[in-house]
Amino acid sequence: EPEVTQTPSHQVTQMGQEVILRCVPISNHLYFYWYRQILGQKVEFLVSFYNNEISEKSEIFDDQFSVERPDGSNFTLKIRSTKLEDSAMYFCASSEGQGAAGANVLTFGAGSRLTVL
Amino acid sequence: GDSVTQMEGPVTLSEEAFLTINCTYTATGYPSLFWYVQYPGEGLQLLLKATKADDKGSNKGFEATYRKETTSFHLEKGSVQVSDSAVYFCALGTSYGKLTFGQGTILTVHP
Repeated sequence: EPEVTQTPSHQVTQMGQEVILRCVPISNHLYFYWYRQILGQKVEFLVSFYNNEISEKSEIFDDQFSVERPDGSNFTLKIRSTKLEDSAMYFCASSEGQGAAGANVLTFGAGSRLTVL
Repeated sequence: GDSVTQMEGPVTLSEEAFLTINCTYTATGYPSLFWYVQYPGEGLQLLLKATKADDKGSNKGFEATYRKETTSFHLEKGSVQVSDSAVYFCALGTSYGKLTFGQGTILTVHP
C-alpha cells in the first residue's frame, strides 16, 4: 500500500538553529499538508500546498516557517530559527484531491519528532 | 470556528471488553467526520469515516455513526483486542478546508 514517508524520525536541535523536515508524499497525490502535535495537545493544521503554492496556512505558520517542493518527489518544511515552543511531532500528509471531506482522504506519514533545546 | 472534543483518556480495558470513545463536534456547514488511529511508531491511519448525517462508518470491528442532532461521532467496538492498543483521534473535515482534530485518546488493552 502506498505510504507517506518522513525523515528524520527524530531530530534534536539547539534553539535558533534551522531545521528541515522532509516528506515523500504518495506519487499521484497533488495536495500536500503539514500538521503538528505538541506533546499532550491536539494535532494542529499548519499549511496546505498545491501546484507549488501555499493554498492555506494557519496563524501558527508564521515567517519562521516555509515549505517547498524542491523536486518531483520531496516536500519539505523548514523552520528558520527554532524556538523551544517548536518542539512537537510534525506530520506530513498528502491527498489526491482538495479538502478534507467526501471521497477525499488524507494519508499521513509516521511523523518527525522535533526537540528544541 | 470548527472544533472537536474527545473524551479524556487514557482508557484501559481488558481484552474482549466493550469500547466507547466519545466525540462531539462544532462546525459550520456539513463536515465529514473521521476516526484516525496511531499505533506505536506509526503514522495517523484512517480507521473509518462518514460523510453525511446518519452514515455509519465501520472498519476492523469499529463503528461510528454521524449524529447531526447530537453533533456526535462516538467510536465503538464490541470486543477489543490487545492489538487495538493505540491512540485514537476524532476529526472533522470540510470540502475546501483542513482537518480539525480532537486531542486524542490513548487506549490500552490488557490480556
